[in-house]
Amino acid sequence: GENVEQHPSTLSVQEGDSAVIKCTYSDSASNYFPWYKQELGKGPQLIIDIRSNVGEKKDQRIAVTLNKTAKHFSLHITETQPEDSAVYFCAASTGNNDMRFGAGTRLTVKP
Amino acid sequence: SAVISQKPSRDICQRGTSLTIQCQVDSQVTMMFWYRQQPGQSLTLIATANQGSEATYESGFVIDKFPISRPNLTFSTLTVSNMSPEDSSIYLCSVGGQGAEKLFFGSGTQLSVL
Repeated sequence: GENVEQHPSTLSVQEGDSAVIKCTYSDSASNYFPWYKQELGKGPQLIIDIRSNVGEKKDQRIAVTLNKTAKHFSLHITETQPEDSAVYFCAASTGNNDMRFGAGTRLTVKP
Repeated sequence: SAVISQKPSRDICQRGTSLTIQCQVDSQVTMMFWYRQQPGQSLTLIATANQGSEATYESGFVIDKFPISRPNLTFSTLTVSNMSPEDSSIYLCSVGGQGAEKLFFGSGTQLSVL
């Protein structure tokens, strides 16, 4: 089955700096890669996703890149703000009810 | 996106008892799922709640321990039976599109078992 690895487990940045979280996946059949943000006491919220036919996708300050050959994808957050502080999860799926999540990255943005 | 209401938001339970968690969605959805998130950990799929039929459980999860109901396309319940401290986790209801993509999550139920 799919195995998703996520790094780093914790990340601390200064407000205004960029943050990058990286994930690798094992199943070459995976074709859908979402990112979730989980704030304390809340459920995960979908913030951006990408399909395997696209190499990059951007939405305001967040972007995701995908390298199918290397089987890795990354989340980039620019101009970080304190409200970006949360736990971020990557995930991968083949589209057959088999979504698998990474272990999570705790991002802290220091004002 | 769907609005998902989950109850209770948290509970403290005694060992050996059972707790039923409810999940209500504001629109009809095909796919509903139950996840467990152990303290500081990632999300693990417990089962897919199938409307009108028995739930489909993932490896390591059984119906006797986690019975699930899904009487219609907007509602599901998860029961955590005969609880032990190891069941202390956040339990999350989720809905998604075909193939379980674009998952949306409820706010979760924080369960503590003493």
